Amino acid sequence: SQQGEEDPQALSIQEGENATMNCSYKTSINNLQWYRQNSGRGLVHLILIRSNEREKHSGRLRVTLDTSKKSSSLLITASRAADTASYFCFFILDSNYQLIWGAGTKLIIKP
Amino acid sequence: EPEVTQTPSHQVTQMGQEVILRCVPISNHLYFYWYRQILGQKVEFLVSFYNNEISEKSEIFDDQFSVERPDGSNFTLKIRSTKLEDSAMYFCASKLDGGRQETQYFGPGTRLLVL
Repeated sequence: SQQGEEDPQALSIQEGENATMNCSYKTSINNLQWYRQNSGRGLVHLILIRSNEREKHSGRLRVTLDTSKKSSSLLITASRAADTASYFCFFILDSNYQLIWGAGTKLIIKP
Repeated sequence: EPEVTQTPSHQVTQMGQEVILRCVPISNHLYFYWYRQILGQKVEFLVSFYNNEISEKSEIFDDQFSVERPDGSNFTLKIRSTKLEDSAMYFCASKLDGGRQETQYFGPGTRLLVL
């Protein structure tokens, strides 16, 4: 399967703590993107990391990419209640341009 | 800031009926996509569209589905004869150009319920 795997499937933490989500894939990719989806709503693009990058920051978000392990992680620091959402990784395979979504991590931030 | 819009936000239809989901991509974007997300499941790619023709489609995108860019601004997804399993959230996305590094911008989605 070329599908992306995400873990954990669900994560519940206290406000202020850091949240880490992981995404793994099976074959070579050009870039990997992370999206957020609030319950029942649309997808919002968070950050894109290219295959020649190892780490990228955007505000409280930090994304890493390890092409040797074929995995990426999304770290949200100092979490807030408003961060409660599902987070998806999305990537395009180098070989055939197939568009792949991870299964998502449901993040709950407890006040 | 320009954004992708979709109408309607919700649609309820009877099994066997035709539905048309509408999207207005960002005006200078050239690549367009439809995705769907069955409730509680992952987002699935349906089709990509460029230069007035389909460039890629998934196994889900069978003969019941069609896409069209009728007037240079709208991008529509038609389901000819809806089935119960077509109930899902449908997302449209657009991208400025074909580079794989370009970000896709998503609309808010249309929630389709087939009864």
